[in-house]
Amino acid sequence: KQEVTQIPAALSVPEGENLVLNCSFTDSAIYNLQWFRQDPGKGLTSLLLIQSSQREQTSGRLNASLDKSSGRSTLYIAASQPGDSATYLCAASTQGGSEKLVFGKGTKLTVNP
Amino acid sequence: GAGVSQSPRYKVAKRGQDVALRCDPISGHVSLFWYQQALGQGPEFLTYFQNEAQLDKSGLPSDRFFAERPEGSVSTLKIQRTQQEDSAVYLCASSLGWGGNSPLHFGNGTRLTVT
Repeated sequence: KQEVTQIPAALSVPEGENLVLNCSFTDSAIYNLQWFRQDPGKGLTSLLLIQSSQREQTSGRLNASLDKSSGRSTLYIAASQPGDSATYLCAASTQGGSEKLVFGKGTKLTVNP
Repeated sequence: GAGVSQSPRYKVAKRGQDVALRCDPISGHVSLFWYQQALGQGPEFLTYFQNEAQLDKSGLPSDRFFAERPEGSVSTLKIQRTQQEDSAVYLCASSLGWGGNSPLHFGNGTRLTVT
């Protein structure tokens, strides 16, 4: 059974800092790994999707990496801004035709002006 | 463009009542998912539709939970005889394709409170 863990549970940084959020998964036979952002009282917004054959994906100030062998993914945020404050969730889909995602509990990020 | 729309936004039900939650996915999206999110937790999978076919319902907690998507667009999640442990945010998501290649687009959810 796939389990996804995110560390830390919460992170507070000053504006402008570069930061890394960590995600680990127990079953390396993943189909893809996705990172989402969730603002309070809102649904999830897809940030990056990494296929199992890929090593990383980039979008603007965001870069996500995937290391299947070690069961880890990281989300790197460059030059953080107060608007980046949100909860970041990673989710893994497992090979075998299942479409479902297994989510971590998220990392709550606060970027202080 | 319009995103995934869910209604109602909030629902309060007395224990034992039946509720129906609606999801309008993005037009043309083939895949539709329902997730349940408890406070402080990540979403947990409930069920998945590809067009009108319910291909995976392994996450539905009990036979009190039922989902349908009869015409391959709008979906309804029904919970019968609600219990307090059903209190959560119910999220609907859709994607253009299938096979895990398309990013998911989530609605803002329905917050269900069972008293």
